[in-house]
Formats: sequence, C-alpha cells, structure tokens
Amino acid sequence: DTAVSQTPKYLVTQMGNDKSIKCEQNLGHDTMYWYKQDSKKFLKIMFSYNNKELIINETVPNRFSPKSPDKAHLNLHINSLELGDSAVYFCASSQVRQDYNSPLHFGNGTRLTVT
Amino acid sequence: AQKITQTQPGMFVQEKEAVTLDCTYDTSDPSYGLFWYKQPSSGEMIFLIYQGSYDQQNATEGRYSLNFQKARKSANLVISASQLGDSAMYFCAMREGPYLSNNDMRFGAGTRLTVKP
Repeated sequence: DTAVSQTPKYLVTQMGNDKSIKCEQNLGHDTMYWYKQDSKKFLKIMFSYNNKELIINETVPNRFSPKSPDKAHLNLHINSLELGDSAVYFCASSQVRQDYNSPLHFGNGTRLTVT
Repeated sequence: AQKITQTQPGMFVQEKEAVTLDCTYDTSDPSYGLFWYKQPSSGEMIFLIYQGSYDQQNATEGRYSLNFQKARKSANLVISASQLGDSAMYFCAMREGPYLSNNDMRFGAGTRLTVKP
C-alpha cells in the first residue's frame, strides 16, 4: 500500500560504476521528482518529470539521467559514480505540476555510498 | 538565491511545552504554497501542514499550526504540547506558480528539534 516506493534502500558501490535507483508511485500523480539530500541534510531538486516533459536542474551533472517507462515510474540512472555522489536520494510525486497547492509525497529514500 | 530561510539550525524544547520553528521566504509571485515536512531519524519525509498564499486563516493540523504572516513573508511552524516523538528535522518548503514553467518545491536548510524529557 506504499504510495511512493523506491528501491534499493541502501546502495554501496565503487567509484566508476553505473547504478540505478527505481521509483514507483501508485497515487495516480502526474508529476514525479528526484531530490538529493546531502550530508548536511540540504534537499535539492534534481529533476521533475511530467507528461514526458523533463526539467533538469542546471547543476546536475549529465552522468545523472532519469528514465520514465510510464507515468507511475521514474528511475534514476547514474553513470561513472564519484565519491561526491554519496547522498540520500528521494523520489517524490505530486498531482498536476501547476498546482502549487499540492504537497509532495516522498519515498523513503535511497542511501547511496560510493567508495 | 535562497528562497527559503530557516535560521535555527537546532532547537530544544521541554516535553509538553510549545515550540516555534521559524521560516521566512522570498517570492514576487502572488500565488504560492508553503509546506512543512518532518524528517525523523529513520529518514522518511512526512508532510505536516500546508498554507496557501490566499488563505485568510492560519492552517492547523492537530498539534501543528502555521503562523502565517504574509507581509513579513514568514511561515512559522508551531508545535503544541511537544512529545518525545517530535524530535526530528523539520523543513519549510515553498512552491510558486501556477504560471511558472518550473514551480518545483524548494526547501529550507532545516531545523533539528530535540524534545527533552
């Protein structure tokens, strides 16, 4: 019954590897997001995806790419992992993007550790 | 530029007392939404309360209330009758719009609240 689920919960990998984090929402929402939470707990938007329109935060390296097979899924693929990519990654969803009144519903996060 | 400011990195409160967590924001858009989230040590993000820019009354949800002062651009969270389980990080957030092409939710730096027994 989990509204937004992401897997895996923990991911430990070595520098240079490629990894993916999966996200699924069963809320029927139109918009999905990826956020990065750094070691100081600061949450920063990485991507938002709505009806095949992708908005990318300009500071996100192109090693990060979101992939959406359908409206309920938004996976995050990371190439050539670096030490600085270590963080907690949150998937989230909301209703229509333009609805500024809608809260985001978050997954439980994926803690990525790059060694 | 940072649009959401939380000036209290850490706060302490005695159990059963009330506590106010500060949040100020910056926007030139007349339409916006303000949100508070709780992040306990287990890591999940829990939505607590919402206030719309056109709302005349302050939002309340159980023991949570939002002290919305529009002219001052502040949206402080008030937690009444604190409980040990309220110990967590609290984030203030904002969405602008609806006419912006990008009205994604932006977060403040957070306040770590510790409730003392």
